[in-house]
Amino acid sequence: VQLVESRGGLVQPGKSLKLSCSASGFTFSSFGMHWIRQVPGKGLDWVAYISSSSDTVYADAVKGRFTISRDNAKNTLYLQLNSLKSEDTAIYYCARGGLDYWGQGVMVTVSS
Amino acid sequence: DVVLTPTPPSLSATIGQSVSISCRSSQSLLHNNGNTYLNWLLQRPGQPPQLLIYLVSRLESGVPNRFSGSGSGTDFTLKISGVEAEDLGVYYCVQSTHAPYTFGAGTKLELK
Repeated sequence: VQLVESRGGLVQPGKSLKLSCSASGFTFSSFGMHWIRQVPGKGLDWVAYISSSSDTVYADAVKGRFTISRDNAKNTLYLQLNSLKSEDTAIYYCARGGLDYWGQGVMVTVSS
Repeated sequence: DVVLTPTPPSLSATIGQSVSISCRSSQSLLHNNGNTYLNWLLQRPGQPPQLLIYLVSRLESGVPNRFSGSGSGTDFTLKISGVEAEDLGVYYCVQSTHAPYTFGAGTKLELK
C-alpha cells in the first residue's frame, strides 16, 4: 500500500490550491479516505472524509471552503482548498479509511 | 463536536517500564451499530502517524503485542507493557463514531 501526496506549496491568502493523493497497492474504490492536517510541531487535525460511495464529511473549520473528491479510475484522492487562510498552513496527509495507511504529507503554506 | 482529552499530556519512562495513557471522550463513542470507533496512533518524530490499535482493543497487524487497548463508552486506555526506545513519540487517540471525527491533543512519551 502506498499513498503519495502532491501539489503543496506557497499560496496567498484568499487563493486556491488542489492537493492530490495517488494510491496504489490496494483496491482504492473499496475504501473511504481521509485528509488530515498538522501544523508543524502541533497535534493532528482531521479535515475531511469521503466514503467509497463518495459521501463526504468535513470539519467545521473547512466546511464550505474545502472539497474532498475522488477519481477511482485514476486511484486518486483530491482536496480542493478555496478561500485559504493563514491558519490553513499545515502539513496535509491523506490516509486510508481505517487510518491504517498514511502518506508522507505535503506542506501547504498560506502567506502573502 | 466530540472532544477527546488525553492524560497525561506528557510522560517520561525508562526502558522496560510499563505505562498507560488515558483518553476521555466528551460523549459515548458507542456507535448505533454496536462498534466503538476509538483508535490509537503513534507519531514518531518526522514521521506520519502509525496505527497501533483500532476498535478500542484490536491490535493492528505488525504492531508489537506490548501495546494493548481497553475501555468503553467514554473512557479508554492505551498500555505499553515494557517501553522500548522505538516507542518514543506522540500518542494520539482518535474517534470516528461521530462526525466530524476528532483527535485528542496527544501524549508525548519521552525517555527518562
